[in-house]
Amino acid sequence: GAVVSQHPSRVICKSGTSVKIECRSLDFQATTMFWYRQFPKQSLMLMATSNEGSKATYEQGVEKDKFLINHASLTLSTLTVTSAHPEDSSFYICSARALRQGNTGELFFGEGSRLTVL
Amino acid sequence: DAKTTQPPSMDCAEGRAANLPCNHSTISGNEYVYWYRQIHSQGPQYIIHGLKNNETNEMASLIITEDRKSSTLILPHATLRDTAVYYCIVRVAPTGTASKLTFGTGTRLQVTL
Repeated sequence: GAVVSQHPSRVICKSGTSVKIECRSLDFQATTMFWYRQFPKQSLMLMATSNEGSKATYEQGVEKDKFLINHASLTLSTLTVTSAHPEDSSFYICSARALRQGNTGELFFGEGSRLTVL
Repeated sequence: DAKTTQPPSMDCAEGRAANLPCNHSTISGNEYVYWYRQIHSQGPQYIIHGLKNNETNEMASLIITEDRKSSTLILPHATLRDTAVYYCIVRVAPTGTASKLTFGTGTRLQVTL
C-alpha cells in the first residue's frame, strides 16, 4: 500500500515553544492531506484538511492560528503547534489520499507523532 | 455520512476467525463501507472496503448484507498482532474534501493465546 511518513515520531518540548510535525507521502502525490489528533483512550478527531497550494480548512473548534498548516508541495504537509501548552500534548496523525487506477482513493495514515509539552 | 454502531470490545482466540460486526442501518445507496484498524500507538491502517458485494483481500473478508444495513469484517485466522481497535466507517466515495474520514469509537479486539 501507499506509504505516508511522519516526523518526528516523538517530541518533547517546553511550554510556550513551537513544534513542527512533517507529513510526507513517499510514493504518491497528495493534493489533500488530513490532520487528526487523538487523546489517550479516545478516537481520532479530525483537526483540519490541508490543501496543496491553498489555505487549510479547519474543523469547528480548532484554532487556525495555533495549529498552522502548510502544504507547499504535493508530497509534504506540515503542522506547527504554536506556543504549545501541556493540554496540547497528544498523538497527532496525518493521512493522505492515494488516487490510483482501480481504487476509490482510500486514505493512508502516517505512523503518528506523539507530542509531550512539559 | 451514515452513522455506524459497533460493539465496544471483543475477544478472540489465536488461530480462530474473528468476526467483527457493524450496523449501518441508515446507509445510502452511494455510500461505501470502509474498515480501518489502529494498533496501539500507531496510525490507522486501511483494511478493506466495499459497496454491496462481498470483498476479500490478503488481510480480511468483508461481508455486506443484502439490504446493506450491516456488515461483518472477518479475520480468518487471528493472531496476536491483530489485537487493535477496528473502525467501521461508512461514506461516499472520496472526492476532494469528501475524502475525510470520521472515526467512531470502534471495536477493541483482543486476541488471546
